[in-house]
Amino acid sequence: DAGVIQSPRHEVTEMGQEVTLRCKPISGHNSLFWYRQTMMRGLELLIYFNNNVPIDDSGMPEDRFSAKMPNASFSTLKIQPSEPRDSAVYFCASSLEGDGYTFGSGTRLTVV
Amino acid sequence: GEDVEQSLFLSVREGDSSVINCTYTDSSSTYLYWYKQEPGAGLQLLTYIFSNMDMKQDQRLTVLLNKKDKHLSLRIADTQTGDSAIYFCAEIGYGGSQGNLIFGKGTKLSVKP
Repeated sequence: DAGVIQSPRHEVTEMGQEVTLRCKPISGHNSLFWYRQTMMRGLELLIYFNNNVPIDDSGMPEDRFSAKMPNASFSTLKIQPSEPRDSAVYFCASSLEGDGYTFGSGTRLTVV
Repeated sequence: GEDVEQSLFLSVREGDSSVINCTYTDSSSTYLYWYKQEPGAGLQLLTYIFSNMDMKQDQRLTVLLNKKDKHLSLRIADTQTGDSAIYFCAEIGYGGSQGNLIFGKGTKLSVKP
């Protein structure tokens, strides 16, 4: 298995632009998580899905952030419009209920 | 609410043992985890312990759990420079149909030759 695949690995965008981050979970995993990591705040859970259904999105910072999981093999995290304070590393992770999480390599987002 | 606390930094010499400590708040946690994050990479599951155990050993790694004090530790024997990384403690939180992991802020381990 190729593991959790995230794209792009790096994204540099201008303030105000729309940014879309993508994630392909491990086949057969039924839960998917989006995390944001910054030096100041550490690792923060933004949203998680179970069987493609959003379960808890209380970590999504603002309405500018939205996440979808149209099927079991794909999820997106969208920021529109982006702001410099959104600069962070965004991780996607997946798991099969009861097991540990497998993380992707992350997307490093820089908003200038 | 649920919270996981770790010290932020630890520095050791190559060959020494490293002990990374963690405290958590949710006494109902069934599993507790240690993750390792190398520079530029995602988090990698290192080991975990079930809450009815007080110790787990896996090669150079020893996990100790004191459930009464809600204290978890990770000991790395014969620490190598390749062990330099950030180590995250995590507990299962409960929400919806499946719990999600609550992570500490991570302990940055620096190993000096």
